[in-house]
Amino acid sequence: GQNIDQPTEMTATEGAIVQINCTYQTSGFNGLFWYQQHAGEAPTFLSYNVLDGLEEKGRFSSFLSRSKGYSYLLLKELQMKDSASYLCAVRDREGVTGGGNKLTFGTGTQLKVEL
Amino acid sequence: GAVVSQHPSWVICKSGTSVKIECRSLDFQATTMFWYRQFPKQSLMLMATSNEGSKATYEQGVEKDKFLINHASLTLSTLTVTSAHPEDSSFYICSARIRTGPHEQYFGPGTRLTVT
Repeated sequence: GQNIDQPTEMTATEGAIVQINCTYQTSGFNGLFWYQQHAGEAPTFLSYNVLDGLEEKGRFSSFLSRSKGYSYLLLKELQMKDSASYLCAVRDREGVTGGGNKLTFGTGTQLKVEL
Repeated sequence: GAVVSQHPSWVICKSGTSVKIECRSLDFQATTMFWYRQFPKQSLMLMATSNEGSKATYEQGVEKDKFLINHASLTLSTLTVTSAHPEDSSFYICSARIRTGPHEQYFGPGTRLTVT
């Protein structure tokens, strides 16, 4: 099984930087994903880490430390449209069925960007 | 590319009736599709993994006789909620697995089910 923890809510100011942390426990780690989800909509892919280190993609960066079971999503130059829920998801080698590796999602961090 | 559609986007039904939700991969073939359920202010919970041409694999606690999944082709999977009850009201999201690239799952826009 897996256990994924992330803060429930965060508030930040427009133009600022915010870091959303995620810790996980899994027996067969096979990648960590960050998704953005606006209310009433499906998640959209933001980033993927499978090796230790930082992955940068525009205003968004994601970091992974497999030994610590830890990841963070860094959002720079915050905009009002970044107000959303950010989901950390871990892919597990176990439970593979028909070639599909399943994702287990954290409860999500609701980010509110204020003026 | 990698677009996944769902139909309907929302549906209201009466208790005891059945509702079918379709998930289609529009521009790629998906040998594996996933069905999730999301209650308000909660995260996505995987219900089942659907493989083309074979039986779906259900997660623990999900009733396979209540949530019927059919993956009849490489671009279509359906979820039928049978004998719906108000507690089945939720946001149902499908995703499809694409073989290329590490971020293999692309999500549909979701279906809001309300059972009255």
